[in-house]
Amino acid sequence: EDQVTQSPEALRLQEGESSSLNCSYTVSGLRGLFWYRQDPGKGPEFLFTLYSAGEEKEKERLKATLTKKESFLHITAPKPEDSATYLCAARSGGATNKLIFGTGTLLAVQP
Amino acid sequence: DADVTQTPRNRITKTGKRIMLECSQTKGHDRMYWYRQDPGLGLRLIYYSFDVKDINKGEISDGYSVSRQAQAKFSLSLESAIPNQTALYFCATSDPNSGSYEQYFGPGTRLTVT
Repeated sequence: EDQVTQSPEALRLQEGESSSLNCSYTVSGLRGLFWYRQDPGKGPEFLFTLYSAGEEKEKERLKATLTKKESFLHITAPKPEDSATYLCAARSGGATNKLIFGTGTLLAVQP
Repeated sequence: DADVTQTPRNRITKTGKRIMLECSQTKGHDRMYWYRQDPGLGLRLIYYSFDVKDINKGEISDGYSVSRQAQAKFSLSLESAIPNQTALYFCATSDPNSGSYEQYFGPGTRLTVT
């Protein structure tokens, strides 16, 4: 069964304290690993798509990486405005474009 | 203006009532989706539509129905609402021609069934 697991469930950082969020996936024929940011009361906002092991993408203080079993979202020198829930999702092989979502990591960055 | 809009944003209804949630998009995408989000369970797919004539059940379609009125509009109905349908509901769109398959989400509808 296709599955996506995120850890930790919650993470509290001090401003400037770098860390990483983990997304482990078990899907047949991965066709993309997606990262989203979700603020309270809002819909998920697309951040990155990764397609193959070794691929990396960056946006401001965020960098996403991908291996054959997991993806990491590295946050470098976070600021309070980076506080949000970060979701990852995997698309398995096939034409349906269905995404399988993890339950998210709630990140709180304290000033 | 938002590319994907949902109405209403908040709704409280009683058990047994019929309710419709509406989604409109200006992105020009052919594919549209309805998800529900519950604490600890993540986003789960209810229905999806690849075009006006192509509608498919997702993993949790029981108790729901949908209508794709036009390329830009996709509605979700709860025929007879029950309390365990209390959740956040999101509409999303994607463009199959982009080659990247990411989905773009609306702001959500918070539904409470009492």
